[in-house]
Amino acid sequence: GAVVSQHPSWVICKSGTSVKIECRSLDFQATTMFWYRQFPKQSLMLMATSNEGSKATYEQGVEKDKFLINHASLTLSTLTVTSAHPEDSSFYICSGIGTGLGRERRSYNEQFFGPGTRLTVL
Amino acid sequence: AQKVTQAQTEISVVEKEDVTLDCVYETRDTTYYLFWYKQPPSGELVFLIRRNSFDEQNEISGRYSWNFQKSTSSFNFTITASQVVDSAVYFCALSEASNTDKLIFGTGTRLQVFP
Repeated sequence: GAVVSQHPSWVICKSGTSVKIECRSLDFQATTMFWYRQFPKQSLMLMATSNEGSKATYEQGVEKDKFLINHASLTLSTLTVTSAHPEDSSFYICSGIGTGLGRERRSYNEQFFGPGTRLTVL
Repeated sequence: AQKVTQAQTEISVVEKEDVTLDCVYETRDTTYYLFWYKQPPSGELVFLIRRNSFDEQNEISGRYSWNFQKSTSSFNFTITASQVVDSAVYFCALSEASNTDKLIFGTGTRLQVFP
């Protein structure tokens, strides 16, 4: 399967600061990337979908001014949590779908997930 | 409305036991896809299987098997001869043909396999 990385794997920040999380597709071109949020012992909730070069589409109830998503290239998407507060503490996971880098340009229809980023806001 | 229900919150078994994780889904679409993902303690979701709504054939992959029954809207997952390394949270998910990119996850089942 395809590989997705996230950086950092964990971050602790003070309330009011902004935090940027990077999501990279390492061996495929991610035409679409997804950002999820997972609270402890709960399911994954989709926050937004981003297509390379376009503005992200946010799910209902997700503040787009608070969670800024950029998908400027086929291998990188970033999520910036602006003015983070303790209630933003969560596990953030990205995923991507797209096409392989090989000659056959294999198409990946299932989402491949990154390892997640644990954000703790003090 | 779309929904995925995993009624079992936590299951504990002893190694070598067989265990079945239940998944019931709701959708109005006639074409849809069902998935199972494994989330070990490290947090990364691992893709296990994708099945489309027109393929009701059961699937076996090593110790893993899946039973898809449209009549009961269920897509159950069985691990045979469980091992400690199977300990993880398992998520069932659904996507509809009208929006195949959007995955709707169940609440997950935490499986603990004791030696």
